[in-house]
Amino acid sequence: DAGVIQSPRHEVTEMGQEVTLRCKPISGHNSLFWYRQTMMRGLELLIYFNNNVPIDDSGMPEDRFSAKMPNASFSTLKIQPSEPRDSAVYFCASSSSGGLETQYFGPGTRLLVL
Amino acid sequence: AQSVTQPDIHITVSEGASLELRCNYSYGATPYLFWYVQSPGQGLQLLLKYFSGDTLVQGIKGFEAEFKRSQSSFNLRKPSVHWSDAAEYFCAVGARAGGFKTIFGAGTRLFVKA
Repeated sequence: DAGVIQSPRHEVTEMGQEVTLRCKPISGHNSLFWYRQTMMRGLELLIYFNNNVPIDDSGMPEDRFSAKMPNASFSTLKIQPSEPRDSAVYFCASSSSGGLETQYFGPGTRLLVL
Repeated sequence: AQSVTQPDIHITVSEGASLELRCNYSYGATPYLFWYVQSPGQGLQLLLKYFSGDTLVQGIKGFEAEFKRSQSSFNLRKPSVHWSDAAEYFCAVGARAGGFKTIFGAGTRLFVKA
């Protein structure tokens, strides 16, 4: 199995631009999680989906952030417009049973907003 | 609300020495507890997890953790550390709140000296 796939691995953009991060979960997993990791705030859960439906988006920082999961094999996290404080590593993870089971993390997308 | 505290930001141990990383949690019911490891530039990988049963849990890479309800602790141990164990370690607690949510601690960075 290829594991959780994230793209791009690195993204550098300018303030105000739209950023789209992509994730392909492990085949057969029905839960998907988006996390943000920074030095100051550590690892934060942004949103998670179960069977393609958003279950908890309380961690999404503000309306500039949105996430979609149009099908079981693809999810996006979009930031529009981006700001320098959004600079972080964004991880996608998937699991087979709503988070009670092991979460498998992707390699992350390192985002730098100038 | 559930929370996780890892009191040590970083720890340095000599190769071959024993290791104990501390984790305290706050949760009203029986917790689901996890330890994850993150190597530099990588996503998180599960070391072990506790849901119920035997309070001493064995994980991968020779790690173990002990759940102590009376102390609200779930400390990670390894009898003999290898240089390749240098990484950041995250304790996490999972709880049912609508769906299922995992709360991560701030992490403990382990340095191994020769």
